Amino acid sequence: QSVLTQPPSASGTPGQRVTISCSGSSANIGGEYVYWYQQVPGMAPKLLIYRNNQRPSGIPDRFSGSKSGTSASLAISGLRSEDEADYYCALWHDTLNVWVFGGGTKLTVL
Amino acid sequence: QVQLVESGGGVVQPGRSLRLSCAASGFPFRSYAMHWVRQAPGKGLEWVAVLSYNGIDKFYADSVKGRFTISRDTSQKTLSLQMDSLRAEDTAVYYCARARDTYYYFGMEVWGQGTTVTVSS
Repeated sequence: QSVLTQPPSASGTPGQRVTISCSGSSANIGGEYVYWYQQVPGMAPKLLIYRNNQRPSGIPDRFSGSKSGTSASLAISGLRSEDEADYYCALWHDTLNVWVFGGGTKLTVL
Repeated sequence: QVQLVESGGGVVQPGRSLRLSCAASGFPFRSYAMHWVRQAPGKGLEWVAVLSYNGIDKFYADSVKGRFTISRDTSQKTLSLQMDSLRAEDTAVYYCARARDTYYYFGMEVWGQGTTVTVSS
């Protein structure tokens, strides 16, 4: 059981906006930068968001990240069929000296 | 372009050892921290280990501490993961990943395609 809690599933229709949450505590999300990764089935993960809300070059602005208190969120607007994937939040846990991933959220585009 | 290519995976018996390698190219290998992350069949991502750019700071997941050793050869631009006393629960796809910057607290930015390790008798 991860210290970062994500809903196991989420869904939306093309064009919609969906949000995936990542819940933690003051000991982790409250004090650390959150990363978000996308993993299409059978492929390696890809970095979507770093430092809570920063996008690497090449990541479309349909993807956005935010953090408030002990929770973080990934929002995907203008949902597309190719967004169907697993999404993971992650952070460096400074107290435990480990990296932690959330359990992952499977996004289905209906 | 930035590329990471893992190798060394295979089928190994419980209790035996295996060494994974990750060949890096397209970036100054000596300037970045490096991670290993694994994914058991049908499961989520699990971070395994990280090594800072200088080869000094290294951290491990509790599940592998004392059994796995992460190291890097700057001259060969290679990251390694020595896995000893392997268990069935170590069965996974192992990904090598470059961090965003120098130290262990920078997250994974670029990922390899993974290499599969199966621990079974």
